[in-house]
Formats: sequence, C-alpha cells, structure tokens
Amino acid sequence: TQLLEQSPQFLSIQEGENLTVYCNSSSVFSSLQWYRQEPGEGPVLLVTVVTGGEVKKLKRLTFQFGDARKDSSLHITAAQPGDTGLYLCAGAVGAQKLVFGQGTRLTINP
Amino acid sequence: GAGVSQSPRYKVAKRGQDVALRCDPISGHVSLFWYQQALGQGPEFLTYFQNEAQLDKSGLPSDRFFAERPEGSVSTLKIQRTQQEDSAVYLCASSLGWREQYFGPGTRLTVT
Repeated sequence: TQLLEQSPQFLSIQEGENLTVYCNSSSVFSSLQWYRQEPGEGPVLLVTVVTGGEVKKLKRLTFQFGDARKDSSLHITAAQPGDTGLYLCAGAVGAQKLVFGQGTRLTINP
Repeated sequence: GAGVSQSPRYKVAKRGQDVALRCDPISGHVSLFWYQQALGQGPEFLTYFQNEAQLDKSGLPSDRFFAERPEGSVSTLKIQRTQQEDSAVYLCASSLGWREQYFGPGTRLTVT
C-alpha cells in the first residue's frame, strides 16, 4: 500500500513569513501533484512534477520533486492571507489512481 | 457550466437508507473518478471509469457501494443500507487522460 505522509498537518504563521510543507513516502511515484482545497469545494490542481529533482515555480510557490521520486516539498515565500487553505499532495500509482496525503491545513494571519 | 458538477451538494440519510450521488463531468472527458474524503483527511480513491467501462473499483469499501456510468458521461455512486461510517464528502473528478484531474465540489453525506 502506497502512503503519503504530509508534514506539518497544521501550520499557522504570520503574513510575510516563509514556509515549507513536506510530502514523504517510501514508495516511488511516476508523478506527484499538489492541490489546494477551500472549504466546501473540491481540490484544485496547482502543479504536476514528473522528473526526479524537478523544480517548478508558480509565483511565490516553489515545488520540488525528490531525486528518487519518493518525496516532494512546497515552499511559499512571503505568505499572504489568500494562501490560507488545505494543501494536498497526491502521487500517481500506475496509470489511473491518485494516492493523497492527509493534507496540510495552512492559516496565514494578517 | 464548464466544470464538474455534483448533486446533491448535501445529503442527510438515516442509517439503512439507500442514497444516489450524481456526477456530471466536463464534456468530452473520458476518465471519471470517485473519491471519499473523511473529515480532516485527504481524498481516498474509490473507483475509476474510462468512458462507460469501470476499469478499477478496488477502492470501494464494501459491496454496499456501487458506481455506474452507462453512457460514458454522467456517473452515479450508489450506497445501499448506509451506515454512520459512510459519512464523508464524496468527490468526483474527470480528466482527458488521468494525470490532471478536475474535481467537482463534492457531496457531503451525513448518515444519522
């Protein structure tokens, strides 16, 4: 059974601070995705990383896929209240299944 | 609409009742997925369709859960004889392939 462990599960910081969320597994994934979910809504895809060591940037968000394709991180620079939400990582298993982590609930305080 | 829609958005069922949850995927998306998301957890895979064919149902927790997509478009997730542990948000997602899945808003099921 493939499992993805996210840490921390909860994070509350002040506006302007930097933060990193981690997603770790003992399994290798063909790709890994990061989603953001707002209350009452479905997850929205932020990025897909495919190649070991790959780094992708989306404005103030930087995503990295581990060299061995077992782990990933999300770094947010100068966090803003609008970044508040549930961040989920998901690993692709085979051709059609996503395995999700339990999520990191992020709160950015003004 | 352009996105995935689900209905109803909220459903309260008494234990033992049957429920049916509907998903309207994005037009043209051949792949459709159902997930179950318990409170405070990430989504867990239930089942996957490619067009009308159910290719993977390994995540369905019991034989009380049944999903169909008879014409390769709209899908229905049916839960028979609901139990309290079935209370969760049920998410539907669709995609052209499988990698980039677009999620609906979910149906929150509460079994009392």
